Amino acid sequence: QQQVKQSPQSLIVQKGGIPIINCAYENTAFDYFPWYQQFPGKGPALLIAIRPDVSEKKEGRFTISFNKSAKQFSLHIMDSQPGDSATYFCAASKQGAQKLVFGQGTRLTINP
Amino acid sequence: GAVVSQHPSRVICKSGTSVKIECRSLDFQATTMFWYRQFPKKSLMLMATSNEGSKATYEQGVEKDKFLINHASLTLSTLTVTSAHPEDSSFYICSARDRGLMGYTFGSGTRLTVV
Repeated sequence: QQQVKQSPQSLIVQKGGIPIINCAYENTAFDYFPWYQQFPGKGPALLIAIRPDVSEKKEGRFTISFNKSAKQFSLHIMDSQPGDSATYFCAASKQGAQKLVFGQGTRLTINP
Repeated sequence: GAVVSQHPSRVICKSGTSVKIECRSLDFQATTMFWYRQFPKKSLMLMATSNEGSKATYEQGVEKDKFLINHASLTLSTLTVTSAHPEDSSFYICSARDRGLMGYTFGSGTRLTVV
């Protein structure tokens, strides 16, 4: 019940396309859902996060869509660029708890 | 924004020696810090959670005597890998949680190679 399942494992998109990465969770107590971007040899960096009281959040070219009833959330990257090539992780946590539960990661490649 | 500094970024040590990794929150107070281990092409694996002034809580399967964690102040946590073996070679990442917010900020990671 603590798991967050992420798909796909890898994704290749042409420049300008809209890669979509999906995550699903079981624990309805989760109330914080961040997405992280990680480049090789670096720590993860927060991209965008959402709470379950909203269905969508946009920050620049990054959008989170959240479906509370389905217990799913997804990351969309608009107008993708080769510089967006990285590994993306979704995560979840619940207020009061300390741990972030991570998805398995998606290796995204944006071809020029 | 919140910044977490992690040092060193790379370290090579001999088998049997110990190595210390530092994690500092530069512009906020971190009541809780986390230590992760990441294998190539894998997700982050939480090793332990440390709260300032108290003992760390280790995840199941993590040897607390091998991976010593100290969180002596609100801005500094350290991970010491004791009696290092080649299988301890990995990418170690720390994270700090801002006291007032929900967010988690990550350090840049430490590549440990044990030879």
